[in-house]
Amino acid sequence: QQQVKQSPQSLIVQKGGISIINCAYENTAFDYFPWYQQFPGKGPALLIAIRPDVSEKKEGRFTISFNKSAKQFSLHIMDSQPGDSATYFCAAPWLYGGATNKLIFGTGTLLAVQP
Amino acid sequence: EADIYQTPRYLVIGTGKKITLECSQTMGHDKMYWYQQDPGMELHLIHYSYGVNSTEKGDLSSESTVSRIRTEHFPLTLESARPSHTSQYLCASCGDSSPRYTGELFFGEGSRLTVL
Repeated sequence: QQQVKQSPQSLIVQKGGISIINCAYENTAFDYFPWYQQFPGKGPALLIAIRPDVSEKKEGRFTISFNKSAKQFSLHIMDSQPGDSATYFCAAPWLYGGATNKLIFGTGTLLAVQP
Repeated sequence: EADIYQTPRYLVIGTGKKITLECSQTMGHDKMYWYQQDPGMELHLIHYSYGVNSTEKGDLSSESTVSRIRTEHFPLTLESARPSHTSQYLCASCGDSSPRYTGELFFGEGSRLTVL
């Protein structure tokens, strides 16, 4: 059973600070690592994703860093804002049953950004 | 904004009742999924479908069943609900047709089920 290990489980950051969430994965059939953001009462929504051809991807204040040899990837939120307070999930694809695929999610990180 | 809808949003029922959670999407996506989300946040895949008349069980064993008779509709049914079924159920769809790229999942807002 493939697992994606995510840490920390919860994180408190001051406004303007940097939030860092880490994930470690086991073998995957291909490299595609998304991060999803979930607000209370809502379903998760794609925040940012990285493909295998780069080791880092930045979109605004959000950056994914990818270390293929260590099988780790992380999300950095720069200049964290109270509006970033949410649950964050990393995910990795798992090739199952031939040509089909699905996402395995990490255990989630509850981020609270204090004003 | 994604066009994927789940009903009911909240449901409280007694043990032994049959329930169906509805999920519909208007994006024409072939891939659809049901995830169960624990109170502790973890998302577990319980069912997925890659098109009409295609359904498979996911990682987490579930007593629920699903059907995919129409592309836009992917209902989940529990024949006899028990307190252990109390959870949030999230439906998702994906428009990517490549077998090697999962693509963006669009989630509904979830159905929170409480079985007394």
